[in-house]
Amino acid sequence: KQEVTQIPAALSVPEGENLVLNCSFTDSAIYNLQWFRQDPGKGLTSLLLIQSSQREQTSGRLNASLDKSSGRSTLYIAASQPGDSATYLCAVNTSGSRLTFGEGTQLTVNP
Amino acid sequence: NAGVTQTPKFRILKIGQSMTLQCTQDMNHNYMYWYRQDPGMGLKLIYYSVGAGITDKGEVPNGYNVSRSTTEDFPLRLELAAPSQTSVYFCASSYGTGDGYTFGSGTRLTVV
Repeated sequence: KQEVTQIPAALSVPEGENLVLNCSFTDSAIYNLQWFRQDPGKGLTSLLLIQSSQREQTSGRLNASLDKSSGRSTLYIAASQPGDSATYLCAVNTSGSRLTFGEGTQLTVNP
Repeated sequence: NAGVTQTPKFRILKIGQSMTLQCTQDMNHNYMYWYRQDPGMGLKLIYYSVGAGITDKGEVPNGYNVSRSTTEDFPLRLELAAPSQTSVYFCASSYGTGDGYTFGSGTRLTVV
């Protein structure tokens, strides 16, 4: 059974810092990995999707990497802003038809 | 392009009542899913469907039922609501195996 762990559970940083969120998974036979953002009381917004054959994906200030063999992914946020404050969820697609989610990292960026 | 639409956004049920959470998508996605999210937790899969007429159980299906009569719609039925079903429910869809997911905005359900 796939298990997904996100560390840290919460992170508070001053504005402008570069930061890294971590995601680890137990079964390396994955189709892809997806990072989501969730604002309080809201739905999930897809940030980046990395296929199993890819090593990284970039969108603006966000960069996600994938190391399938070690069961790890990182989400790098450059030059953080208060508007980046949210919960970030990592989800792994193992079976091809369902995602397994981590419990998320709650990020606070202080002005 | 509306994406994935869920209704209602909020609902309060009494113990033992039943209701249907509606989900529709306009992206012609084959796969649809229902997840629940409890406070401070990740999302747990309730049911999913890989196409019209096909549904399957996820991790936490007890107390729920689904149907998929069309590609667009995937309603979730709660029979005999219990306090343990108090949660936020998310519907999602994807085109196929290995594709990214699109989520709805959620339904916040309280059972009292």
